[in-house]
Amino acid sequence: DAKTTQPPSMDCAEGRAANLPCNHSTISGNEYVYWYRQIHSQGPQYIIHGLKNNETNEMASLIITEDRKSSTLILPHATLRDTAVYYCIVRANNGNQFYFGTGTSLTVIP
Amino acid sequence: KAGVTQTPRYLIKTRGQQVTLSCSPISGHRSVSWYQQTPGQGLQFLFEYFSETQRNKGNFPGRFSGRQFSNSRSEMNVSTLELGDSALYLCASSITSTANEQFFGPGTRLTVL
Repeated sequence: DAKTTQPPSMDCAEGRAANLPCNHSTISGNEYVYWYRQIHSQGPQYIIHGLKNNETNEMASLIITEDRKSSTLILPHATLRDTAVYYCIVRANNGNQFYFGTGTSLTVIP
Repeated sequence: KAGVTQTPRYLIKTRGQQVTLSCSPISGHRSVSWYQQTPGQGLQFLFEYFSETQRNKGNFPGRFSGRQFSNSRSEMNVSTLELGDSALYLCASSITSTANEQFFGPGTRLTVL
């Protein structure tokens, strides 16, 4: 089952950075942190993942604390199209199940 | 490259009936996972197939079953439908079972009356 804790909802002003926190205090050494998002009426979409180093791609940045018990997804310049439910997931590198939990509903405000 | 397709997109059934949903993965992807999404329970893992074998199964009753064909297409079946089975059923494909990225289809919206 889901091993992450996320705030149920957040707001962010358009053009500002959106920082979405996730707590995964029971994460194991071989488990990665994944982020997906689900825009209304669509299937979830992969954003980024990481093990212990910070990661960045064209969509977002992932900051993982040194003890790996929490992480933050950063959308550097939020747009209205970033309004979605964001899921933080931990999964072993040899695992094949994604446990999505309830996620954070992010609303980007004009 | 075509995405994951699911058919039908919408379905209405009555209690006690059975239903079969279909998923065609992205070409070259051999792993197919199924999820159920409801407002109350969120997104829950049903099962995953890789190379025609069920690799993992979530905590759902035996009324929920699935299979995968040699071309990686997958079907899931729900027998003796209950009102609580009303949900969005999502299929996701990936190159392998342990791939980092799963690609989701648009889902099948099942309504049980």
